[in-house]
Amino acid sequence: QKEVEQDPGPLSVPEGAIVSLNCTYSNSAFQYFMWYRQYSRKGPELLMYTYSSGNKEDGRFTAQVDKSSKYISLFIRDSQPSDSATYLCAMSRNGANNLFFGTGTRLTVIP
Amino acid sequence: DTGVSQDPRHKITKRGQNVTFRCDPISEHNRLYWYRQTLGQGPEFLTYFQNEAQLEKSRLLSDRFSAERPKGSFSTLEIQRTEQGDSAMYLCASSSTGFRENSPLHFGNGTRLTVT
Repeated sequence: QKEVEQDPGPLSVPEGAIVSLNCTYSNSAFQYFMWYRQYSRKGPELLMYTYSSGNKEDGRFTAQVDKSSKYISLFIRDSQPSDSATYLCAMSRNGANNLFFGTGTRLTVIP
Repeated sequence: DTGVSQDPRHKITKRGQNVTFRCDPISEHNRLYWYRQTLGQGPEFLTYFQNEAQLEKSRLLSDRFSAERPKGSFSTLEIQRTEQGDSAMYLCASSSTGFRENSPLHFGNGTRLTVT
């Protein structure tokens, strides 16, 4: 069993829709949770970072962490075609030294 | 652009050859990381440096792989006797000491290796 599970999709939504992306994990020692966006042939770009449980909002993006369920989510409101990319969840025990990534969910926002 | 720079962007090599990749981190970052990403998968941690010291290595880093950061600035990743299973995107990232909200990992655009 992988330490981080993520549905690879693909996921297609119409422009303006609310997108929900999720990951589950098995290691209760994870305390730092991140979402990265990766465009084709580019490196991952950090979108959101959360420590421990709770919610964090940044513009159209909201990250949620539920440590009791070992479940994290990323919500994208008013999705745009430019949001079309692969979204990777990542987490670590003690900071940035060794991030464990999900497989990524490929999102397409249709104009 | 003062982001993480990787060279080359693409490398095609024959099985059994040696290859070397270079990473130039963001200049004020003292931590440097190497990750590997295969098609359809998330990146996997290989190793990281704080300044010139290599502090952690993954079990994925076989004895054919070696990484250096001789002066605490740029880093090289060498793969000896390449195998087809080494075909992947090799990503470099950098950060400041002590992962904080304002010191995330910044990734480069990777070196795509194809072993034929």
